[in-house]
Amino acid sequence: EVQLMESGGGLVQPGGSLRLSCAASGIIVSDSYMNWVRQAPGKGLEWVSSMYTGGTTYYADSVKGRFSFSRDNSKNTVYLQMDNLRAEDTAVYYCARNRLYYMDSSGYLDWGQGTLVTVSS
Amino acid sequence: QSVLTQPPSVSAAPGQMVTISCSGRSSNIENNYVSWYQQFPGTAPKLLIYENNMRPSGIPDRFSGSKSGTSATLTVTGLQTVDEADYYCGTWDSRLSAGVFGGGTRLTVL
Repeated sequence: EVQLMESGGGLVQPGGSLRLSCAASGIIVSDSYMNWVRQAPGKGLEWVSSMYTGGTTYYADSVKGRFSFSRDNSKNTVYLQMDNLRAEDTAVYYCARNRLYYMDSSGYLDWGQGTLVTVSS
Repeated sequence: QSVLTQPPSVSAAPGQMVTISCSGRSSNIENNYVSWYQQFPGTAPKLLIYENNMRPSGIPDRFSGSKSGTSATLTVTGLQTVDEADYYCGTWDSRLSAGVFGGGTRLTVL
């Protein structure tokens, strides 16, 4: 059974930083196409970032230059480093795994429970 | 504003059929597979349909998907009250090199 467990959310001031973690079990993250998806309160889903098995990353324009997706194979964990946070980054952040590691549009099959990030002074 | 366009809400009576549309463009829907997600309040989304019309294990065959050109459709037949949820379409946009979602559709079973 695949399990994705996010952590690291919390309250941070505008301009601050936070690092989210997504610990995986039942899969090997380095063999998986991993993603971060967020959902602002009362709003829809928004794709944030993706990482291929080879380590190539993609980012939404809204977070490019501020967020960084990384991976620790020894801990089977992926991370989202979020810097220069803004109020509009307030959301529940989900870690999700593509159904197929080699296909961008194969669908997000496995999801974590999400972690809430609140950016406010 | 979402890259993919969905109606904000749809409704129908129990036992009836409802369709949810998802409109995009050639760089996303037309040239990539479409997925659909179901989300209940306070919970993570769940993959309902992948590769336009395929169901993951455990998803009832009351849910079906289709795609034509730059649009996709989710159809739910034999509506049940447990189907009341938010539904999102999603795919990859090859021009943007980004994942994209629709704004979501709230399904109400009257």
